[in-house]
Amino acid sequence: AQRVTQPEKLLSVFKGAPVELKCNYSYSGSPELFWYVQYSRQRLQLLLRHISRESIKGFTADLNKGETSFHLKKPFAQEEDSAMYYCAFTRRQGGSEKLVFGKGTKLTVNP
Amino acid sequence: DAGVIQSPRHEVTEMGQEVTLRCKPISGHNSLFWYRQTMMRGLELLIYFNNNVPIDDSGMPEDRFSAKMPNASFSTLKIQPSEPRDSAVYFCASSLYQGSSNQPQHFGDGTRLSIL
Repeated sequence: AQRVTQPEKLLSVFKGAPVELKCNYSYSGSPELFWYVQYSRQRLQLLLRHISRESIKGFTADLNKGETSFHLKKPFAQEEDSAMYYCAFTRRQGGSEKLVFGKGTKLTVNP
Repeated sequence: DAGVIQSPRHEVTEMGQEVTLRCKPISGHNSLFWYRQTMMRGLELLIYFNNNVPIDDSGMPEDRFSAKMPNASFSTLKIQPSEPRDSAVYFCASSLYQGSSNQPQHFGDGTRLSIL
């Protein structure tokens, strides 16, 4: 089955500590992977995508095809990073595509 | 661009009533997606359209749910009759699909639906 697994529903760290949100995927093709973030009572927004290989708000994510993982990392967490984080990949069917989301990880950064 | 616009932002209604959620995608986007978000199940794709045509409605829970996209700038998600278990936040998203080029989805603010 093609799916995204985020094993941690909740993750709590202290400000300044490193944080890693785990994401594993199961997909037979070459996936395009994304991290979306949803701050409290705001819309879901794209954080980063693996093909861009960029760092957004200090976050990075590397696609590891051997481990089928796309973990999100930040060396020093900030309180404003507290949010819901969703890992997703694009699944193509016929002439269109859709995003398959994981169930999300709620990150809380404590002062 | 104002982004994806959803209305209403909040809806509270009694069970059995018809509920209609509306979405205006970003101008120029040709794919539109309806999602439901709950604490228990996370973010679930209900249905998506490509060039106004429904492509995959396998996520629609049951016949009480229906979605339409009469033109490129408007879509509705209807629940009739509504039930308390339909209470959730419903998101609409749009993107530009260009075959080999993948563009990220842009989400609306969502409609928080409460069925009493």
